[in-house]
Amino acid sequence: RKEVEQDPGPFNVPEGATVAFNCTYSNSASQSFFWYRQDCRKEPKLLMSVYSSGNEDGRFTAQLNRASQYISLLIRDSKLSDSATYLCVVNTYTGGFKTIFGAGTRLFVKA
Amino acid sequence: GAVVSQHPSWVICKSGTSVKIECRSLDFQATTMFWYRQFPKQSLMLMATSNEGSKATYEQGVEKDKFLINHASLTLSTLTVTSAHPEDSSFYICSAPTSGRYNEQFFGPGTRLTVL
Repeated sequence: RKEVEQDPGPFNVPEGATVAFNCTYSNSASQSFFWYRQDCRKEPKLLMSVYSSGNEDGRFTAQLNRASQYISLLIRDSKLSDSATYLCVVNTYTGGFKTIFGAGTRLFVKA
Repeated sequence: GAVVSQHPSWVICKSGTSVKIECRSLDFQATTMFWYRQFPKQSLMLMATSNEGSKATYEQGVEKDKFLINHASLTLSTLTVTSAHPEDSSFYICSAPTSGRYNEQFFGPGTRLTVL
């Protein structure tokens, strides 16, 4: 089982749609959680950190469920510019600091 | 957010030559940096963890004698691809975690290596 698992997609949605991405992680000792976006042929960029109480940044909402070891990202009112790969990222600190990346979920927003 | 630079952004070299890629944290210090490789349409693959003042830690299947890593200072790590071959052609990306509460990773812009 992978340490961080995501639905690879692709998700094809029309502009204005709401889309949700899910991610599960296997190490219960994981301590910090993030969503990154990666555009084609570019480096990943931090979209948002995921806090225990959940957090929102404009059209983006992230949730964390530690009991279920589950992270989500909700994008409302999708824009064409949201088309990218979204990476779920987890930091663990057992036996040293390590960052684990999910394989990413591809999103295509269509006009 | 924090800034990580990488140099060069792209390089083309002949088979058998060595290529050095630099990764710098510009506005923060990083005792640890990470090196990744990404092939087209595939996910990031962690190659190694670069540790300032000590040896790098390599992931399983990554040849340490082929991918030499040196973490020369708190703001600089280098990856040298030795005796490069066409199959080493890839997108190499470094990242550095901040020392804040959540240790967010910030990535360099990547180096696109093409070996002829």
